[in-house]
Amino acid sequence: SQTIHQWPATLVQPVGSPLSLECTVEGTSNPNLYWYRQAAGRGLQLLFYSVGIGQISSEVPQNLSASRPQDRQFILSSKKLLLSDSGFYLCAWSPGTGGYEQYFGPGTRLTVT
Amino acid sequence: GEDVEQSLFLSVREGDSSVINCTYTDSSSTYLYWYKQEPGAGLQLLTYIFSNMDMKQDQRLTVLLNKKDKHLSLRIADTQTGDSAIYFCAESDNDMRFGAGTRLTVKP
Repeated sequence: SQTIHQWPATLVQPVGSPLSLECTVEGTSNPNLYWYRQAAGRGLQLLFYSVGIGQISSEVPQNLSASRPQDRQFILSSKKLLLSDSGFYLCAWSPGTGGYEQYFGPGTRLTVT
Repeated sequence: GEDVEQSLFLSVREGDSSVINCTYTDSSSTYLYWYKQEPGAGLQLLTYIFSNMDMKQDQRLTVLLNKKDKHLSLRIADTQTGDSAIYFCAESDNDMRFGAGTRLTVKP
């Protein structure tokens, strides 16, 4: 069966510090991968998605970036965090595009102080 | 752009039925989904319905789709305190779009 992992589970970082959040998927090959941000009491904002190694699409301009160094690994990064980057970051995978359901990881709670 | 809208809050008593409503604007939606998010956790896929169906039942969950009105609902029968969570409606054709979520509170 497929599983999706995220780490760390929680993170507290000062403004201006770098960020690296990791997501890995097991039990499937060539998944589509997604990064979402959920601000407190709000819905999901799609940040990045990837249909293959090295292929990243950005949905919103921001100081975050994403990379996919391996088929089942998706990394969310920032060189300098802003206070507004605080939120709950969710990674998800799907078996394909065109209406396939997405499966979510447990999330990372990021607090920028 | 395409939107998915849900009411933000719903409160019911334990044992009652809960009905969470969702409207969407994209007429080319292929699948419609309901996800559940418990506090501090990721989203769990509860159920989904293909756009050419009008009803799907899975144990205590019933999904109704009115494609003409672009209205989707999730009915939870015999709601329990463990059903307290945020419920997200989502629709997709090539991309997936989520509503803002409905916070369901179940009172004993």
